[in-house]
Amino acid sequence: EVQLVESGGALVQPGRSLRLSCAASGFTFEDKAMHWVRQGPGKGLEWVAGISWNSGNIGYADSVKGRFTISRDNAKNSLHLEMSSLKAEDTALYYCVKDRYSGRNGMLFDYWGQGTLVTVSS
Amino acid sequence: EIVLTQSPATLSLSPGERATLSCRASQSVNNYLAWYQQKPGQAPRLLIYDTSSRATGIPARFSGSGSGTDFTLTISSLEPEDFAVYYCQQRSTWPPEKTFGQGTKVEIK
Repeated sequence: EVQLVESGGALVQPGRSLRLSCAASGFTFEDKAMHWVRQGPGKGLEWVAGISWNSGNIGYADSVKGRFTISRDNAKNSLHLEMSSLKAEDTALYYCVKDRYSGRNGMLFDYWGQGTLVTVSS
Repeated sequence: EIVLTQSPATLSLSPGERATLSCRASQSVNNYLAWYQQKPGQAPRLLIYDTSSRATGIPARFSGSGSGTDFTLTISSLEPEDFAVYYCQQRSTWPPEKTFGQGTKVEIK
């Protein structure tokens, strides 16, 4: 059974940093691309960042480019999102998402975690 | 940048009725169009991928169709558990900026 368990969400002040993590199990993690997708309160889904199986292809939404960094540790079956210069508009539930495929040509989100809440407020 | 527009924003139907949801892309997505279902308090779930292929465990009452820029999700006979928000998503471009539509809420009439 595929499991994706996010952690690291918190209440943080604007301008501060936060690191999210996702522990993956139930599949061969090193074979699949992974993503972070967020959902603001009462809003729709927004893709944030994605990383291919070997970290060779990484992409970011324009809204977070230069502030967020996605990374993965295939030895530890873990995905991370380093967030800096946080803004109020980054407030959202952040989902760790497994791709059905391995590379940049995938982007089919077949399993989702339950999310970790990030609130940016003073 | 490809923009996905879903319609209607809200669909009010009764259990047993047929639901037809639309997703229109601003340019061709080469049939790389997926549908997700999200119930309140839950993570989204993949329903349909590549226009018409059902994901694992998805009931046959869910079907997808379309091509190029116009796509449809059909629920043949609504069950109580089908009342939810549905999102379409395109995967024809990298990075997938604005990859999701804005969603259609299917509510009980």
